[in-house]
Amino acid sequence: AQSVTQPDIHITVSEGASLELRCNYSYGATPYLFWYVQSPGQGLQLLLKYFSGDTLVQGIKGFEAEFKRSQSSFNLRKPSVHWSDAAEYFCAVSPSGTYKYIFGTGTRLKVLA
Amino acid sequence: DGGITQSPKYLFRKEGQNVTLSCEQNLNHDAMYWYRQDPGQGLRLIYYSQIVNDFQKGDIAEGYSVSREKKESFPLTVTSAQKNPTAFYLCASTPSSHLNQPQHFGDGTRLSIL
Repeated sequence: AQSVTQPDIHITVSEGASLELRCNYSYGATPYLFWYVQSPGQGLQLLLKYFSGDTLVQGIKGFEAEFKRSQSSFNLRKPSVHWSDAAEYFCAVSPSGTYKYIFGTGTRLKVLA
Repeated sequence: DGGITQSPKYLFRKEGQNVTLSCEQNLNHDAMYWYRQDPGQGLRLIYYSQIVNDFQKGDIAEGYSVSREKKESFPLTVTSAQKNPTAFYLCASTPSSHLNQPQHFGDGTRLSIL
């Protein structure tokens, strides 16, 4: 069955430190991949997406993600975290040609001043 | 600005009562979705609709019902058959259900039991 795993439930980093949030997926072919961010009590906002081509994709708010087919991973990174980045982050996959969007269980990011 | 409007933001349900959550979009999107979000469980699909007057069950449709009479609107009814309705409900849309486009989300409705 198709699935998305975000192994880190909580991550705490200091402001200015680098960040990497992990995402692994289970799917036979290359899916469409997304990262979303959710602030408390709000909906999800798209950070970036990967459809094909260059495996390093740039998103909004200084985020980037790298698709690694051999590891079935799509990890999210940011070189220097800001206090406003504290939120919950969701990785999602959409198998090609389907209606489905499968979400991971999320990683909650805390930023220390 | 185009977007998705969910209302109300907070909703309380009494035992045995049906309640309806509103979702309206002015993005001219064809496909609309309802998700339920519980802490630590990510988003789970309740129903989705690809076009007007058509909708499909998702993974956790029991105890819920929907309608899609207009392209802009996709209301969700939480029926009394849903025994554990307390959750955060999110509505989303995409331009087309088969092109794997990013989803646009509303700001959610939090449903609680009185």
